[in-house]
Amino acid sequence: GDSVTQTEGLVTLTKGLPVMLNCTYQTTYSPFLFWYVQHLNEAPKLLLKSSTDNKRTEHQGFYATLHKSSSSFHLQKSSVQLSDSALYFCALSDFSNYNVLYFGSGTKLTVEP
Amino acid sequence: AQTIHQWPVAEIKAVGSPLSLGCTIKGKSSPNLYWYWQATGGTLQQLFYSITVGQVESVVQLNLSASRPKDDQFILSTEKLLLSHSGFYLCAWSLPSNYAEQFFGPGTRLTVL
Repeated sequence: GDSVTQTEGLVTLTKGLPVMLNCTYQTTYSPFLFWYVQHLNEAPKLLLKSSTDNKRTEHQGFYATLHKSSSSFHLQKSSVQLSDSALYFCALSDFSNYNVLYFGSGTKLTVEP
Repeated sequence: AQTIHQWPVAEIKAVGSPLSLGCTIKGKSSPNLYWYWQATGGTLQQLFYSITVGQVESVVQLNLSASRPKDDQFILSTEKLLLSHSGFYLCAWSLPSNYAEQFFGPGTRLTVL
C-alpha cells in the first residue's frame, strides 16, 4: 500500500538558516503530494501541494519539488523564522482514490533566536 | 465563509463506555468530510471519509464507526472505548473535487482512563 517516510523527527535550527525536511513516498499509482503544517494547539493547514513532476511549488517562503524518479518531495526554506516552529507533515494521495490521504510521521521544527 | 465546528472540545471517558463525537460544517454545501485520529505529538491517521449523505467509507476502523446523517454533519462513535482510543480527533472538509485542499477543524481531545 501507499506510505510516506519522513526521516527527521526533530530539527532544531537558528533563525535565518536554511532548512530541508525530507519526504519520500511509495505508491504504485500516480501520486499527489502535500505538505501540512501544524502549529502548537492548532489544526493542520495546507502549506504546499503538487502532482507535477520536476516542477517547483512555493508558498509563504517554503518550496518543494516533486521528483517521481526518486519518489521525493522535500520541503525547503532559505531562511527560517521563529514563527516557522511547528510540526510538518508530508502526505500522499494517489489517483486510485483521491479521498484517502496518507501522512508521514511528521517533523518537529524548532527555530531558536 | 465556511466554518467547521467540532464537539465536544474535550472528553474524559472510562474504558468500555460509549462515545460520540460530532462535526458540523457551515457555509459549504455537499462537502467531502473526513475523520482523523492523532496521537499526542504524533502523525495523522485518516479513519473515514464521506462524499455524500448516508455514505461513509472506512480507511482504518480502529473499532470506531462513522455516520453522515445530514449534508453538513459527520459523527464518529463507538459503543466501547479502549485505552488506545485516547488522542486528538480531527474532522476535515474539502470541496468535492480531486485533490482539493482539506480544511481541518479545531479537534476534540479524548482521554480514556
